[in-house]
Order: sequence, then structure tokens, then C-alpha cells
Amino acid sequence: TQLLEQSPQFLSIQEGENLTVYCNSSSVFSSLQWYRQEPGEGPVLLVTVVTGGEVKKLKRLTFQFGDARKDSSLHITAAQPGDTGLYLCAGVGGGSNYKLTFGKGTLLTVNP
Amino acid sequence: KAGVTQTPRYLIKTRGQQVTLSCSPISGHRSVSWYQQTPGQGLQFLFEYFSETQRNKGNFPGRFSGRQFSNSRSEMNVSTLELGDSALYLCASSFGIGVHTEAFFGQGTRLTVV
Repeated sequence: TQLLEQSPQFLSIQEGENLTVYCNSSSVFSSLQWYRQEPGEGPVLLVTVVTGGEVKKLKRLTFQFGDARKDSSLHITAAQPGDTGLYLCAGVGGGSNYKLTFGKGTLLTVNP
Repeated sequence: KAGVTQTPRYLIKTRGQQVTLSCSPISGHRSVSWYQQTPGQGLQFLFEYFSETQRNKGNFPGRFSGRQFSNSRSEMNVSTLELGDSALYLCASSFGIGVHTEAFFGQGTRLTVV
């Protein structure tokens, strides 16, 4: 069974601060996705990383896939209240199994 | 284009009853997956359908079942409801399957079992 551990589980910071969320597994994934979920809504895909060591930037968000494709991180620079939400990482299985395995999420609150 | 539509949005059922949830994927999408989301366990995979065939199934008891119709719409059924089945049930659709597949989620159905 493939498991993804996310840390921290909760994060409350002030506007303008930087933060990093981690997603770790003992399993290798074909790719890894990051989603953000707001209250009352379904998760929305932010990015997909596929290659070990890959780094993708989306404005103030930087996503990194570990060299061994077992872990990933999300770094937010100068957080804003609009970044508040539940951040979920999801690993895509290998072979012909493209099932998404989700971490339990990091609940981020950015205070003005 | 319209997003993923899940109905109903909210549902209250009594233990022992059964429930059917519906998901209409984005037009043209042939893959539909279902997830259960709870505060304690997070998002857990239930099953995935592609072109009316179940491709993957999660570790849930047989009380949870699903199907997909020829128009790609999907339903999931939970029989003999238990209190622990209270959760947000999310449906996601995608055009195909693969490592780059982008899943689009609906708003979910909030099921409360009393």
C-alpha cells in the first residue's frame, strides 16, 4: 500500500511570511500532484511534477519533486490571506495503475 | 464549459438505509473516480471507472459500489449505512488516464448518517 505523509498538519502564519509543506513516502510514484481545497469545494489541481528533481514555479508557489520520486515539497513565498486552504499532495501509481493516493493534507491559515 | 456536477450536495440518512450519489463529469471526459473525505482519514480512493468499466478499486467493504453509464455519468451506492460512513464524497473526472492526467473535482456530496 502506497502512503503519503504530509507535514505539518496545521500551519497558521502571518501575511508576508514564507512557508514550506512537505510530502513524503517510502514508495516511488510515477508523478506527484498538488491540490488546494477551499471550504465547501472540491480540490483544485495546482501542478503535476513528473521527473525526479523537477522544480516548477507558479507565481509565488514553488514545487519540487525529490530525486527518487518519493517526496515533494511546496514552498510559498510572501503568503497572502488568499492562500488559505487545505493543501493536498497526491501520488500517481506506477505501471498501468494511475490511481491517486492522497496525503491527509496541510491546513494553512494566513492571517492578515 | 460546465464542471463536474455532483448531486445531491447534502444528504441525511439513517443507519441501515442505503444511498445513491450521482456524478456528471465534464463533457468529453471518460474517466470518473470517487473518493471519501473525512477529517481523520483524509481523501481515500473508492473506485475508478473508464468507459463503463471499473479499472481500480480501493479498500472499502462491498457495501460500497458504483457504476458508470454510456454517457460517462456515474453513480455510487452505499448500502446498510453506518455512522462511520458520514463523510464528504467527492467525484473527479478526467479526459483519459495516465501520469499527466488532470483530475477535476466536483463540490462533493456531504453525507450525514444519524
